[in-house]
Amino acid sequence: QVQLQESGPGLVKPSETLSLTCTVSGGSLSSYYWSWIRQPPGKGLEWIGYIYYSGSTNYNPSLKSRVTISIDTSKNQFSVKLSSVTAADTAVYFCARSPVTNYYNSNGGHIWPGGFDNWGQGTLVTVSS
Amino acid sequence: DIVMTQSPDSLAVSLGERATINCKSSQSVLYNSNNKNYLAWYQQKPGQPPKLLFYWASTRESGVPDRFSGSGSGTEFTLTISSLQAEDVAVYYCQQYYSTPFLFGQGTKVEIK
Repeated sequence: QVQLQESGPGLVKPSETLSLTCTVSGGSLSSYYWSWIRQPPGKGLEWIGYIYYSGSTNYNPSLKSRVTISIDTSKNQFSVKLSSVTAADTAVYFCARSPVTNYYNSNGGHIWPGGFDNWGQGTLVTVSS
Repeated sequence: DIVMTQSPDSLAVSLGERATINCKSSQSVLYNSNNKNYLAWYQQKPGQPPKLLFYWASTRESGVPDRFSGSGSGTEFTLTISSLQAEDVAVYYCQQYYSTPFLFGQGTKVEIK
């Protein structure tokens, strides 16, 4: 049974960089997509971005200029960095896994992430001075 | 962006009664080449992460009780709880994974009447 666990500072100062790591246990990073998703207190879910185990990334345009997701397969971890944070970035941050799905078009076969089938428990990050 | 809109925002249902949640996407999430709807449903209880209930709009995740069902295609989808149990009190979200950015609906809070 795969388990995901977020770790990192719970308090970040405005204008600084938020850094979180997700450690995956009970399974490999291989052949899955790995995402970061956040949820401001009392609000809905916002997808931040994903990384494939090969290292390819895709970010939410609303955050793209500030976010970087990286992966370390040797440690079975992936991470997110969000720069120039403000109070609006205060949220519970989740890491999540998506299985690989396949689709075909005129250009041949492709892979794409499915739904989020495993989630970490989440970690609250507060942006405050 | 494919925007997801759920209705209602909240509903109160008596134990044993049916609960129905609707989700509408601003564009079709049906991919014609494989006839699959790139739509997932999640259940989130207080203090917990979301839990995947359905993917491909109607494929039940392992372990999800069969009182839950997912239906719909194209732009309109429904999550139904056929006989509400106390443990079903939660917020339910739909989410499209047809294209990025992956967006969630605003959530529907289900309570006991």
